[in-house]
Amino acid sequence: RKEVEQDPGPFNVPEGATVAFNCTYSNSASQSFFWYRQDCRKEPKLLMSVYSSGNEDGRFTAQLNRASQYISLLIRDSKLSDSATYLCVSFSSNDYKLSFGAGTTVTVRA
Amino acid sequence: ETGVTQSPTHLIKTRGQQVTLRCSSQSGHNTVSWYQQALGQGPQFIFQYYREEENGRGNFPPRFSGLQFPNYSSELNVNALELDDSALYLCASSSGTSFQETQYFGPGTRLLVL
Repeated sequence: RKEVEQDPGPFNVPEGATVAFNCTYSNSASQSFFWYRQDCRKEPKLLMSVYSSGNEDGRFTAQLNRASQYISLLIRDSKLSDSATYLCVSFSSNDYKLSFGAGTTVTVRA
Repeated sequence: ETGVTQSPTHLIKTRGQQVTLRCSSQSGHNTVSWYQQALGQGPQFIFQYYREEENGRGNFPPRFSGLQFPNYSSELNVNALELDDSALYLCASSSGTSFQETQYFGPGTRLLVL
């Protein structure tokens, strides 16, 4: 079983719509979580860190549910520029394990 | 641009050969992490270097080794290349080892093993 699992999508949404997707993690010792975005054939870039129960950054909201071991990302008012693959990451300092999911692809259409 | 550079951008090798990939970290960053990203997959953590020492390692065999230099640039060496080593190799620099600090990724080196 993979450490971090994501729905690969693709999620095809119109501009202005709201899209949300989850990732699940198997390591209960994980303390830190992140969302990265990766454009086609480009390097990953940090979108947001997820601490405590979650946080919000503009149109992006991340939530953490430790009991069910999942993290969600919600994008409001989608823009064409939001089209990318979103990578979910967990980190456990106990065993120094950093794990990326395979990514969820989002395509925003005009 | 992140300020993290990698070389070469592309490389073709044959099975059994050895390869060295290079990474220059962003100014002020003392930590470099290396990742392997196969097509359609997320990056897999290979190892991290902090102040010229290996600080953590993922599930990769010993034929994957690395170095970090006093200027914090880093090398990834892979011996006895296998076909499955074909991937995008990414390095990321940061100002600390805990992964709480933002990691800035370079553009990657695409390695093809024939």
